[in-house]
Amino acid sequence: SAVISQKPSRDICQRGTSLTIQCQVDSQVTMMFWYRQQPGQSLTLIATANQGSEATYESGFVIDKFPISRPNLTFSTLTVSNMSPEDSSIYLCSASVRGYGYTFGSGTRLTVV
Amino acid sequence: KNEVEQSPQNLTAQEGEFITINCSYSVGISALHWLQQHPGGGIVSLFMLSSGKKKHGRLIATINIQEKHSSLHITASHPRDSAVYICAVQAGNKLTFGGGTRVLVKP
Repeated sequence: SAVISQKPSRDICQRGTSLTIQCQVDSQVTMMFWYRQQPGQSLTLIATANQGSEATYESGFVIDKFPISRPNLTFSTLTVSNMSPEDSSIYLCSASVRGYGYTFGSGTRLTVV
Repeated sequence: KNEVEQSPQNLTAQEGEFITINCSYSVGISALHWLQQHPGGGIVSLFMLSSGKKKHGRLIATINIQEKHSSLHITASHPRDSAVYICAVQAGNKLTFGGGTRVLVKP
């Protein structure tokens, strides 16, 4: 199965600033996904990112707040913009791997102060 | 009602005990996944099931498509099994997650 390197693993940020999270996959994957996990909650899908097209956002998530890049088949970034304390969560990326299922990054634990 | 329900929410076991986690879902699926999340937040995929039963080491996963139910069993549990176990159902390319079961195995 594919392995995803996600960074940073954690960060503490000031409100109003932005943070970009990176995910690097060790093989080419068609679909990548970005999730948010708020404290004590399960995972919620933010958007699906396909290479060469605009990301598809789920209800409640907008591109201005969570811009996503997918420049090639092995890399994607998620930016959390104009952060507020409510954005404090774990953010995870995932990739769909044919025949295997899904592989996940190690997560980014974000605290906004 | 959530599309994916897990039980129990929390489980404490003594080392060596047999553990069962249940997952029920209400939607049509192409596959069901069992995932393990450790305190740091990273998630590991344990099983992907579309029918029957799979075994990997001390872990066994079963699914009953007709009853829309799956179970994850941990045999001879060990403190290193302490984690959150998450059931997720797949429809198309999207996953819908259960609320997770927090497992603590005491030595």
